[in-house]
Amino acid sequence: DVVMTQSPLSLPVTLGQPASISCRSSQGLVYSDGNTYLNWFQQRPGQSPRRLIYKVSNRDSGVPDRFSASGSGTEFTLKINRVEAEDVAIYYCMQGTHWPPTFGGGTKVEIK
Amino acid sequence: QVHLVQSGAEVKKPGASVKVSCKTSGYTFTTYNIHWVRQAPGQGFEWMGIIDPNGHSTRHSQSFQDRVTMTTDTSTTTVYMELSSLRSEDTAVYYCARGPPVYSDNSGIDYWGQGTLVTVSS
Repeated sequence: DVVMTQSPLSLPVTLGQPASISCRSSQGLVYSDGNTYLNWFQQRPGQSPRRLIYKVSNRDSGVPDRFSASGSGTEFTLKINRVEAEDVAIYYCMQGTHWPPTFGGGTKVEIK
Repeated sequence: QVHLVQSGAEVKKPGASVKVSCKTSGYTFTTYNIHWVRQAPGQGFEWMGIIDPNGHSTRHSQSFQDRVTMTTDTSTTTVYMELSSLRSEDTAVYYCARGPPVYSDNSGIDYWGQGTLVTVSS
């Protein structure tokens, strides 16, 4: 299975400041159709996951533009431009290129 | 708007079985596969399996190969997951999640159900 490694585990951030989360895969994630199926999910306390980003850098509908993502090969990054209180959550990367789909261990974003 | 609505929480004894339902709406049911993923308390996500909407094919994690059964009901656009021979380690929130279109073989996920807590305790 493809191992997804996230860092840091915990990320205390001051309101209004940027945050950056790293995700590394144990194998390249380019699918046979040329796409890279790397997603980012947000899971707020007590809620189910919500997809924020698909195919590395595409924001889902309704996702604030303070969220951005990038990457290629085996290294990927999620950035929050200016953290707001509603961004307190655990963020997970997930690869959907190889079987089975696998998830990073999560990064907990909290307010400092 | 895509919705996946799951059945309510369950408490089961070790050795029993549990069946969780996932009612879908807001899209054409027969065009997308459905995953099942679980999350133990305070833990990450563990993929269990995937089923095509017509119920013709499934793929399971080796960890659940002999214990999980997934089915669909196209008349009610509902997907079911049954886990047998429950043990305390199966205590988790179980999620259904929409997978890729049926014509695609990638393993992506977009929309999730609200989750169903299954507690296994004697």
